Amino acid sequence: AQRVTQPEKLLSVFKGAPVELKCNYSYSGSPELFWYVQYSRQRLQLLLRHISRESIKGFTADLNKGETSFHLKKPFAQEEDSAMYYCALSKPGFNKFYFGSGTKLNVKP
Amino acid sequence: GAVVSQHPSWVICKSGTSVKIECRSLDFQATTMFWYRQFPKQSLMLMATSNEGSKATYEQGVEKDKFLINHASLTLSTLTVTSAHPEDSSFYICSAAGALNTGELFFGEGSRLTVL
Repeated sequence: AQRVTQPEKLLSVFKGAPVELKCNYSYSGSPELFWYVQYSRQRLQLLLRHISRESIKGFTADLNKGETSFHLKKPFAQEEDSAMYYCALSKPGFNKFYFGSGTKLNVKP
Repeated sequence: GAVVSQHPSWVICKSGTSVKIECRSLDFQATTMFWYRQFPKQSLMLMATSNEGSKATYEQGVEKDKFLINHASLTLSTLTVTSAHPEDSSFYICSAAGALNTGELFFGEGSRLTVL
């Protein structure tokens, strides 16, 4: 069965510090991985997807199939990055999406 | 960007009654909609996947007779919680995939259900 694990419920860093939000997954096939973000009082929205290999708002994520991980990284955190981050997995064809439990990122001034 | 609207945002009902939650895609046609349930400080749990004009596909452990899902048009899906009980109290969130099926989901704002 597929599973997405985010081991950290809360991650606090100071502004300007590097940040890494961990995500591990289990899936027997070749999944599509995503990071979604929810800012305070807003709805969930897509941050980035692994197939695009893009950097959004300074964030990047690399799919490591050997370690079954898709960690989200940013070299210098900003206060506006404070939000709830969810790692998500989709089966090929995008007909189902499964989410991790989320990590709350708190960037302190 | 694409907008998904849920209604109502919150609802309180008595035990034994049924509650309907609507999910609408406002500016795009949603071929597939997903319904999630979120418990406090927990993950989004996929309940079911609905495709326009066909029966919803429920995840294991989700009672299809309890949670009725209808996707009658490309812009509207509804979730009806039948004979609601206090344990059904939760935050229900819908999301939609656009016709381009790029893998991006567009989320509604969620509906808070409280069953007394």
